[in-house]
Amino acid sequence: KNEVEQSPQNLTAQEGEFITINCSYSVGISALHWLQQHPGGGIVSLFMLSSGKKKHGRLIATINIQEKHSSLHITASHPRDSAVYICAVSSNYQLIWGAGTKLIIKP
Amino acid sequence: EAGVTQSPTHLIKTRGQQATLRCSPISGHTSVYWYQQALGLGLQFLLWYDEGEERNRGNFPPRFSGRQFPNYSSELNVNALELEDSALYLCASSLWTGETKNIQYFGAGTRLSVL
Repeated sequence: KNEVEQSPQNLTAQEGEFITINCSYSVGISALHWLQQHPGGGIVSLFMLSSGKKKHGRLIATINIQEKHSSLHITASHPRDSAVYICAVSSNYQLIWGAGTKLIIKP
Repeated sequence: EAGVTQSPTHLIKTRGQQATLRCSPISGHTSVYWYQQALGLGLQFLLWYDEGEERNRGNFPPRFSGRQFPNYSSELNVNALELEDSALYLCASSLWTGETKNIQYFGAGTRLSVL
């Protein structure tokens, strides 16, 4: 079993829909990262969380330390949100990566 | 098949010294990316090399530099080390095809400690 599991692996939605991507982990962590990989570019760090909730524009990230679970939400989704979204956890001075969720938003 | 390999695993330097980090991409991959993950901060994009050329650079000072060799392996050099350079440095490789999906595969990282 992978130490960081993301779901779904692929997600296609219509413009304007509310999007949720989930991440579960099984190790002790000091922080959880949500990252975005756009076609052709480097990976961009969206959020780093150790507790609670963070919001940036239309993106919201939450973490429940007791349940070892985090969610990334996108409100009012737009085709430019199409990307691969990756959950990674910092554990014992390492980064452990989820497999990523490929999101496609159709106009 | 071997994944992305980085060396050394851990590097200890003092302020003002130079550090050299190495990365071997997955066989067949032509692109190498470097990232810095400092304690308490998210992943920061440093450099992207493809086919031996620097394609993109993050917001880091010029003392962070690198190169890609003909066999597509890469070096990251950090000159005049400062305490805040202490971080985990990650290398990733991909096969750049210009298509919409360009998955990067990451190495285990080099932990640089500046004393």
